[in-house]
Order: sequence, then C-alpha cells, then structure tokens
Amino acid sequence: EIVLTQSPATLSLSPGERATLSCRASQSIGSFLAWYQHKPGQPPRLLIYDASYRATGIPARFSGSGSGTDFTLTISSVEPEDFAVYYCQQRNNWLPLTFGGGTKVEIK
Amino acid sequence: EVELLESGGGLVQPGGSLRLSCAASGFTFSNYVMTWVRQAPGKGLEWVASISGADGSTYYADSVQGRFTVSRDNSKNTLYLQVNNLRAEDTALYYCVKDRVVATIGTFAFWGHGTMVTVSS
Repeated sequence: EIVLTQSPATLSLSPGERATLSCRASQSIGSFLAWYQHKPGQPPRLLIYDASYRATGIPARFSGSGSGTDFTLTISSVEPEDFAVYYCQQRNNWLPLTFGGGTKVEIK
Repeated sequence: EVELLESGGGLVQPGGSLRLSCAASGFTFSNYVMTWVRQAPGKGLEWVASISGADGSTYYADSVQGRFTVSRDNSKNTLYLQVNNLRAEDTALYYCVKDRVVATIGTFAFWGHGTMVTVSS
C-alpha cells in the first residue's frame, strides 16, 4: 500500500498570502496524484488531477506540481473561500487507492 | 448536469446490515467506473470500493473485503453498496463518486453529498 504523508497538518494564513501544501508518497507514483478541497457540510471537490492539471472550473490561483514521490499544491493568493481541508490521493498503484491525512488551511 | 443522490444510511447495531444506493443522472452511467469513499467522524477520506462500468469488475479495500459488496444496475443508473457484519469502525459518511473520464479509475471528479451510516448498540 502506498502511504501519502501531507504536511503541514495545519497551515495558518491571512487572506492574500501564498499557501504551499506538501504531499509525499512512500514510493514513486509517477504523476498519478490528485488534490481535493473539502469544506464542512459539503462533498470534496476535485482541484488538480495528474499532479498539475486543473479540474473544470477551478480558479487559476490553484496549481499543482511534482512527480515521483514529492508533490505540491500552491494557492497563489488565498481567498476567504479557500479555508478548508485539502487532501492528496494517488491512483498509480491503485489497489488500494489511498488518500493523505489532509492539511487544514485556517484563518490566521 | 451530473447528479449523485445517495440513500439507505441509518443507525444499525453491530453485526447488522444495510444497503446503500446512489441514483445517478446527467451522464452515461454505464461508461464510468463508480466508487464509494467514506469519511469517519473527525477522520480523513478512505476509499472503500469501486466497480467498472461495462464488465462490472469489483475492487475493495482490505478493511471491507468479504463484508461489503458493490454492484450496479446500468438500466436504472444506480450504484449499490451492500454492507454486512457492520462494526463500530464502519461508522462514517459514505460518498458515491464518479470518475473523471470514461474507463479510468481513481480520479474522483464528482461526489454526492453522502449517506450516514452509524453502527452502535
């Protein structure tokens, strides 16, 4: 099973600041990594797939990078609606499909 | 517009069973892999099971293998999850999820709002 480790667990930011979230895989997963945003009371939303491709309707301030074992989600300038929990998820060695433990982006 | 509407959750005693359903609309259901993902209270996301569109091949997390059964009725555009021999650790919000593109698995582009399963005596 591939383990995804996200850091930091919590990121405290003010609106307008840059957010950098990390996801590290226990073995190489190529570019088969996705990022999701999850707000309370709502279903998760796909942000980024295959490491760097924005999903339909996702603002350009969200970007993904990385390959192999190290991946990054960047929010160039955090908006008030971006405060949420973010999960990474791999589909390379896909049995089982696995998620990271999440990073909470909170208001500073 | 894609819609996924889950139902069938509830309170059940340990060892009990439920059948979760997910009514899908707005896309060609039979072409897509469909998946169940769950989130226990205060915890992260966990993949539970997936089923392919055409041949109905099924895949399970080790934690549910042998107790849960995923199935689909393409004529009714409906996904199911039969959950048996439930344990307290199965308490979670169960999401029905559609993959991003046809015939691939593991990029979860659209999620329902979930149905809650609570296992308690």
